[in-house]
Parts: sequence; C-alpha cells; structure tokens
Amino acid sequence: AAGVIQSPRHLIKEKRETATLKCYPIPRHDTVYWYQQGPGQDPQFLISFYEKMQSDKGSIPDRFSAQQFSDYHSELNMSSLELGDSALYFCASSQLLSKEQYFGPGTRLTVT
Amino acid sequence: DQQVKQNSPSLSVQEGRISILNCDYTNSMFDYFLWYKKYPAEGPTFLISISSIKDKNEDGRFTVFLNKSAKHLSLHIVPSQPGDSAVYFCAASFNFGNEKLTFGTGTRLTIIP
Repeated sequence: AAGVIQSPRHLIKEKRETATLKCYPIPRHDTVYWYQQGPGQDPQFLISFYEKMQSDKGSIPDRFSAQQFSDYHSELNMSSLELGDSALYFCASSQLLSKEQYFGPGTRLTVT
Repeated sequence: DQQVKQNSPSLSVQEGRISILNCDYTNSMFDYFLWYKKYPAEGPTFLISISSIKDKNEDGRFTVFLNKSAKHLSLHIVPSQPGDSAVYFCAASFNFGNEKLTFGTGTRLTIIP
C-alpha cells in the first residue's frame, strides 16, 4: 500500500539558511499534518491543512510557513534557520473525519 | 504542560510474556486515543486506537484499555515478540476529525529473547 512520502530524508543547512521540506500524502487523503520531534522528545504538532486550507496551527515559529497544493502535497518552508531547528520533521496524512493519521519516514534536519 | 504522559521511559519484557504500556492524560476533552510504534529512523506506525465511548479494543496481539474516570489507557501486547522492540507513543485527539494529535513522551520497549 502506498505510504506518505517525504523528501528529502536528510538535510544539512547552516544557520540563517532556508530549507524546504516536501510531503506527499497517501492517495485520497485530503489532510496533511506537520510535526517536529526534537532529540529525546515527543512529536509536537506544527500545522495542518485540509483541502488546501490551513485547518489548525500549533507551536510553529513565524519563520516557518507551509502550504498544501492542488495535488494535496504539502511543503514546509523554514527560513533564518537556527541551531534549535535541528530535529526530525514528520508529515502525516488522513482522510476526512478519520482520526487515524499515517506518518511518513520523516526528514532529519541538521542546522550547523 | 504535558497533557499526555507515559511515566515509564523504558520497559523490558521476556519474549512470549505480556507487555503492558501505560499512558495517562490530563485533558478530559480528549475523546480518541491512539498507539503508535516507532523504530529508529522511521516515522511512527499506527497500531491501534480507541474511542472514548469504548473501554476496550482488540486487534490481534494488541489490546487497548481505556479508563475514562482515571484518565488512563494501556496497551497490552501478548505474546510479546522480538520485533515488538521499539518506542511506543500514545496519542490523544479531540472530538472532531482532522484534529492534531497530542503525543506522550514514549516508552522504549525491549523484548528479551
């Protein structure tokens, strides 16, 4: 069965640079969620989109922005990167009214 | 403020025995609970879920129990197998669909052959 695809899997950036993370949801899933997992921490919700509209927002810094496109894929744009942004970034997708979210393999971002 | 807590960071269980992972929550508005399993370098994998209108849900070797009055849920794995060794997260969401998940801190389960 098709799963959530995230790219790239690994990304190394320097402080103050910009990064773009991509997420391709499971086919026919209309909702995308982004989570950030710091070292030794639980995943923290960042932002979600339903039908290309932002549906909820968590503790996402103003330096980050995201959108969902017409083909339902989503991109998380991160600017002015800081060392503390180093983390695993997961994307998850679900179908309307379904509470089960299916996660991608994650993007490991390292900021040096 | 950690609204979902897993008080045991780690747990070791003999192969073939029962593994019991516990989770507590503080927000009484949560009404749907999920368990995820996570291997290193992979995303969380959905295992099993339970709605607040139920107190038990079973799927093969996995059973989740919910005690709403105690704001407590547990995941039972029986019999435990070496491939069950992973980090287990419980997560909670609110009543409506498309709601964000609030995760617990995770429990590392090690199955001893």
